[in-house]
Amino acid sequence: DAGVTQSPTHLIKTRGQHVTLRCSPISGHKSVSWYQQVLGQGPQFIFQYYEKEERGRGNFPDRFSARQFPNYSSELNVNALLLGDSALYLCASSSDRGNSPLHFGNGTRLTVT
Amino acid sequence: AQSVTQLDSQVPVFEEAPVELRCNYSSSVSVYLFWYVQYPNQGLQLLLKYLSGSTLVESINGFEAEFNKSQTSFHLRKPSVHISDTAEYFCAVGRSNSGYALNFGKGTSLLVTP
Repeated sequence: DAGVTQSPTHLIKTRGQHVTLRCSPISGHKSVSWYQQVLGQGPQFIFQYYEKEERGRGNFPDRFSARQFPNYSSELNVNALLLGDSALYLCASSSDRGNSPLHFGNGTRLTVT
Repeated sequence: AQSVTQLDSQVPVFEEAPVELRCNYSSSVSVYLFWYVQYPNQGLQLLLKYLSGSTLVESINGFEAEFNKSQTSFHLRKPSVHISDTAEYFCAVGRSNSGYALNFGKGTSLLVTP
């Protein structure tokens, strides 16, 4: 079984641009969560989607948005990029919206210059 | 809101020595507790979890953690480490009423040397 897949693996953007990151969950998993991991820190929760609806949102500005598609894949969008948005963006899937373990992808490394 | 404190940012240890990585949390509601491991340039992998029941949980590669409610701790231990255990370890807490938003600690870098 394929794990959680994220694309692209690396990305370089300029301040002010926007970016779209993509995630495909493990087959059968209906919940997708997004986390931001700044270098040297633990992951910070951004969003959770379950059955195509937003179920939770972390303390991030409105420049961050996401959606989940009927096949349970997900996109994370960030507008008006700032230098501080440089981070590893991790997608995780789980089988439900509760306490089932999260399965993480290898992340997308975003560098904003 | 809950917070997670990993008391050591770096833990150097010799191969075959025992190790303990400390984690304390604060929460006013029931919690779920996890340890994740991250190898360089990779995502996080679940090491072990406490949801309910026995307070001592074990992983398949020799790690164990004990949930201590009175001390609000979930320390990770291994009696004998290997070089391959070198990685970043994250403690995470989820609340029983928050869906699935995990709160992670800042991580502990375990460095195992010969």
